[in-house]
Amino acid sequence: GQSLEQPSEVTAVEGAIVQINCTYQTSGFYGLSWYQQHDGGAPTFLSYNALDGLEETGRFSSFLSRSDSYGYLLLQELQMKDSASYFCAVLNSNSGYALNFGKGTSLLVTP
Amino acid sequence: DGGITQSPKYLFRKEGQNVTLSCEQNLNHDAMYWYRQDPGQGLRLIYYSQIVNDFQKGDIAEGYSVSREKKESFPLTVTSAQKNPTAFYLCASSIPGQERIGYTFGSGTRLTVV
Repeated sequence: GQSLEQPSEVTAVEGAIVQINCTYQTSGFYGLSWYQQHDGGAPTFLSYNALDGLEETGRFSSFLSRSDSYGYLLLQELQMKDSASYFCAVLNSNSGYALNFGKGTSLLVTP
Repeated sequence: DGGITQSPKYLFRKEGQNVTLSCEQNLNHDAMYWYRQDPGQGLRLIYYSQIVNDFQKGDIAEGYSVSREKKESFPLTVTSAQKNPTAFYLCASSIPGQERIGYTFGSGTRLTVV
């Protein structure tokens, strides 16, 4: 089978940096994606890592270590609007290249 | 503007009834997906389709059915065999091999069994 683990909740202060970790167990791994979802809304794509290392997109960065089956999403200069749920998702060959999502991390940004 | 349209936004169903959720996209994406989301949970894959006239079961396909007769459309039927259908249903589409673009999701249908 396959599994993804990420913290259920994280709280951080506006302007700070927060890291959301994701560990996974799967076979046929292709890559790790991150999505953001505000309450009641549609998930939106943030990043995709297929190779080891850090990918940066504005205030958001995502990291992958294939050997450790581990990745993280780094959010810098936190803003109130970043309060949302963040999902890691694995792309693998076992499910026909359809994403398998974790349970999500609820991020609360406080003033 | 291109995107995915899910309808209706809210749907109420009596027990024992089948109901069909609509998903239409004008992004020219080959692949389409249906996910179910329960409160405080992640997205669980119901069905997916990589190409017209072909679809595959996901992790929780029991009690659901789909069709893919057109590239733009991927309707999901929730049958009476689905034991606990109350949930938020999300449709998505993508271009296979373009993972750096990611999935585009619709705004979802919230189904309640009454």
